[in-house]
Amino acid sequence: ETGVTQSPTHLIKTRGQQVTLRCSSQSGHNTVSWYQQALGQGPQFIFQYYREEENGRGNFPPRFSGLQFPNYSSELNVNALELDDSALYLCASSLYNEQFFGPGTRLTVL
Amino acid sequence: KNEVEQSPQNLTAQEGEFITINCSYSVGISALHWLQQHPGGGIVSLFMLSSGKKKHGRLIATINIQEKHSSLHITASHPRDSAVYICAVTPRGSQGNLIFGKGTKLSVKP
Repeated sequence: ETGVTQSPTHLIKTRGQQVTLRCSSQSGHNTVSWYQQALGQGPQFIFQYYREEENGRGNFPPRFSGLQFPNYSSELNVNALELDDSALYLCASSLYNEQFFGPGTRLTVL
Repeated sequence: KNEVEQSPQNLTAQEGEFITINCSYSVGISALHWLQQHPGGGIVSLFMLSSGKKKHGRLIATINIQEKHSSLHITASHPRDSAVYICAVTPRGSQGNLIFGKGTKLSVKP
């Protein structure tokens, strides 16, 4: 148990819909990173938030957006869902370099 | 070419065997991570290292910064070691986001 939780665990959406995924960081961790992991692939970096500000972004379009709240919990929002957005979405919280991962949210887009 | 390459992609071993998984990377790094991912999806951090060698139980991780290469060894392997092992790096100068390899799927047979 890393102390990082994510909700929901599974989600099914249809193309064009919008989705919000949530992450609760480990206590005291002020940085949260989001990753997308397609089936059979390693995770890909989406973005990172540090103290409520976006602190780095991977190669993902603007329809992927996020928020970090004062308690350091975080949301990942994806608009205009596409079939290729089907993946496991992982968040990881950190205080320094070591990252602690949540169990992930498996999103299926039909 | 991926910035982080792992080999082998798949590995089957008999219980008790000594296992080695290799990781090569092409970018300057501040840290290298070995992670374990079970079928449910959750990722656990095994090691974070920037030089030398670390040991935890039956697991040993080594890194050669000059050669940009790391290895994860498992001694006296056991069926419960079956999982996907992922190598990831924190690029030097980054905000702490990780670049992942595709993972090595290990299956240990009794």
